[in-house]
Amino acid sequence: EAGVTQFPSHSVIEKGQTVTLRCDPISGHDNLYWYRRVMGKEIKFLLHFVKESKQDESGMPNNRFLAERTGGTYSTLKVQPAELEDSGVYFCASSQVSGATEAFFGQGTRLTVV
Amino acid sequence: GENVEQHPSTLSVQEGDSAVIKCTYSDSASNYFPWYKQELGKGPQLIIDIRSNVGEKKDQRIAVTLNKTAKHFSLHITETQPEDSAVYFCAATDSWGKLQFGAGTQVVVTP
Repeated sequence: EAGVTQFPSHSVIEKGQTVTLRCDPISGHDNLYWYRRVMGKEIKFLLHFVKESKQDESGMPNNRFLAERTGGTYSTLKVQPAELEDSGVYFCASSQVSGATEAFFGQGTRLTVV
Repeated sequence: GENVEQHPSTLSVQEGDSAVIKCTYSDSASNYFPWYKQELGKGPQLIIDIRSNVGEKKDQRIAVTLNKTAKHFSLHITETQPEDSAVYFCAATDSWGKLQFGAGTQVVVTP
């Protein structure tokens, strides 16, 4: 069975451009999470989908970030316009149920804004 | 909200020795404490977890202890091997599975 997959693995864009990251969760996992690790710091929560609905988006930095999960399958995270401080590694994770259960992570997308 | 602190930030051990990483959390409602290992170029991978109704759990060379009263939990790796070199993250989670991570510990195992 395929794990959580993320595309692209790396992206280098100029400040002001738009980037869209994609996450394909494990099939059947209703819960999908986005996280970000900036500059070697801790991994920080961005938001949580349950199926196609946003359960918690308290970690989204600002309105330049837009996450969608149409149909409750894959999810996209768009940054528009990108700023230098958006650079980091964006991780997606999925789990079958909410709560105290293992979340499976993708390999991450390394975003560099120059 | 939850706040997780992790120490040390770096840990260098001789192959065969033990490694211990400690974490504290602030939210008494947290009930699940996973530990993730991240190797270079890969995403975090769960290596062991513990729930709030358990004080200790062991899986081969890895063990985790939890002290709910003191709100701290620890990872113990015995008989370390070079392949144990990685960044280790502790985390705590609420009922929705939102993970609050510690800052990570870079473990280097030298032969």
